[in-house]
Amino acid sequence: SAVISQKPSRDICQRGTSLTIQCQVDSQVTMMFWYRQQPGQSLTLIATANQGSEATYESGFVIDKFPISRPNLTFSTLTVSNMSPEDSSIYLCSVEVGRETQYFGPGTRLLVL
Amino acid sequence: AQTVTQSQPEMSVQEAETVTLSCTYDTSESDYYLFWYKQPPSRQMILVIRQEAYKQQNATENRFSVNFQKAAKSFSLKISDSQLGDAAMYFCAYRGMDSNYQLIWGAGTKLIIKP
Repeated sequence: SAVISQKPSRDICQRGTSLTIQCQVDSQVTMMFWYRQQPGQSLTLIATANQGSEATYESGFVIDKFPISRPNLTFSTLTVSNMSPEDSSIYLCSVEVGRETQYFGPGTRLLVL
Repeated sequence: AQTVTQSQPEMSVQEAETVTLSCTYDTSESDYYLFWYKQPPSRQMILVIRQEAYKQQNATENRFSVNFQKAAKSFSLKISDSQLGDAAMYFCAYRGMDSNYQLIWGAGTKLIIKP
């Protein structure tokens, strides 16, 4: 398994601003993932982040809105840019261990006013 | 495309009793993985149990076990001796061998434990 931390755990932001979420894992991993979970919903994959390459975004998500960095094998950041109330969600990072199992961080609860 | 269906939006069970959560999926792949995750109010997504499709034996983790029916594409989760700490959203997820690492998620089942 893997131990994953996220910062911040929650935040309240004003519309038009940006927030950067950090994800730290206790071991080196190749695959890291960023998800959004809107209230009462299941998880939606935003992008997959491999170290040393550009993140791969899912349909409906673009790099200008959700830029991702992956500087090394234990760390990644997701920025939510030019926020609107529709961006209010839980954002989760995960890592894949053993080529098939994903382990998740505790999530970041974002409220945009 | 693969899909995962959880037909029970909400289930309730008396403490110490047994409850079964349903999950069905659709795929044309022969090898894949299936997962149950638990998300308590703290929102941390926790892996409960994992099943490899090529294994006929049903996975078990303490009070949690699955009934994996490959031909029927069914993957139910049984929780025995339910405890108050089991109250959470439970999500079923599928990962194919060639699915580009993506997990396909069900809509979730909210489990309520009655004391």
